[in-house]
Amino acid sequence: DQQVKQNSPSLSVQEGRISILNCDYTNSMFDYFLWYKKYPAEGPTFLISISSIKDKNEDGRFTVFLNKSAKHLSLHIVPSQPGDSAVYFCAASFLGSQGNLIFGKGTKLSVKP
Amino acid sequence: AAGVIQSPRHLIKEKRETATLKCYPIPRHDTVYWYQQGPGQDPQFLISFYEKMQSDKGSIPDRFSAQQFSDYHSELNMSSLELGDSALYFCASSIGSTSYNSPLHFGNGTRLTVT
Repeated sequence: DQQVKQNSPSLSVQEGRISILNCDYTNSMFDYFLWYKKYPAEGPTFLISISSIKDKNEDGRFTVFLNKSAKHLSLHIVPSQPGDSAVYFCAASFLGSQGNLIFGKGTKLSVKP
Repeated sequence: AAGVIQSPRHLIKEKRETATLKCYPIPRHDTVYWYQQGPGQDPQFLISFYEKMQSDKGSIPDRFSAQQFSDYHSELNMSSLELGDSALYFCASSIGSTSYNSPLHFGNGTRLTVT
């Protein structure tokens, strides 16, 4: 059973607008969440993370929001740029097993000029 | 900046053969992780090492083994290869096995094809 779910396999956004990528999880014991970006033929690239004691973390154009009661997190990219076009993976882990990331299946973001 | 280096990038093996994948972490990173990503799948955690000792174990088959050496590079050894082992194998590294402030940095992967 998929513990980390990204229900939108793809998302298309106009350049300059906001991209919102969503992620849901089922295990309330997860306490660390990360977003990775992946281009074809490359490994995942770390974008931003958030621990369960926070509800928001911001880094430049990227902001991650965590709603623990809903077991939901989202990644906001503002403004979106064509270079942001990639597959975005949401990942979660437990305290004491931080390297054992549970990944979602990814959302392919396309930012159109 | 230096990244995680994996070799080879591509590897073709026949069933029942063995394969060895290598991973060179980012300098000063002491923890390495191995992931397997099948076609159309999300990456699955296999195993990790911190300071040359196994630190965590995921869904790694008994036919696979791994180790981390004194220079912190790691090797994933795969024996009795099966068609289902065809996948992209990622290595990642970080500083310290218990630090939330050190996210995993991934290499570009080794694509293993078993025929």
